[in-house]
Amino acid sequence: QQQVKQSPQSLIVQKGGISIINCAYENTAFDYFPWYQQFPGKGPALLIAIRPDVSEKKEGRFTISFNKSAKQFSLHIMDSQPGDSATYFCAADRMNTGFQKLVFGTGTRLLVSP
Amino acid sequence: DGGITQSPKYLFRKEGQNVTLSCEQNLNHDAMYWYRQDPGQGLRLIYYSQIVNDFQKGDIAEGYSVSREKKESFPLTVTSAQKNPTAFYLCASSIFRNDVDYGYTFGSGTRLTVV
Repeated sequence: QQQVKQSPQSLIVQKGGISIINCAYENTAFDYFPWYQQFPGKGPALLIAIRPDVSEKKEGRFTISFNKSAKQFSLHIMDSQPGDSATYFCAADRMNTGFQKLVFGTGTRLLVSP
Repeated sequence: DGGITQSPKYLFRKEGQNVTLSCEQNLNHDAMYWYRQDPGQGLRLIYYSQIVNDFQKGDIAEGYSVSREKKESFPLTVTSAQKNPTAFYLCASSIFRNDVDYGYTFGSGTRLTVV
């Protein structure tokens, strides 16, 4: 049972364009939504995270948009650069347990063309 | 520098052989995890441990075993019962927290191939 659905599976964006990756979740108990970035041959690294008390969080060129009623959240990468080419994973968790047990989406492979 | 060290980076297993993947962290994190990554399937949880001498099965524990004898170490054994072990294995750790900016710290992974 997949609790976090991620799309698209792959994405090609031109340099300077906007990359958008979407995720939808089913469990309304989730209250923590991070995005991880993974380069080939490496482990994922936390990129940005949001809690549902805000609808948007921005860090540099990366923005999470969150829609609680639709149970969806998305990652926007503004002014995409070739160095952003990586696989991106969304995830979800419940923070009130005090212990992390992330549920990951299936990943999106982003290629930013020069 | 604190971090997670996984070894070896590449591992080849013969049919019917057990192999052990090493994961060591010096972050003083309480929780540790093992994930399996396959193309198009994301990260699937194999086992996790919140404290020393305690661990729980994840979603795909069959054919795997773990131990947590020390806070710093969480080795994963891929047994001969795992019929399709070829994959990229990731170890991670985390602290107990209520801060949104804390997350998992991942190792660089071990790529296991059956030969």
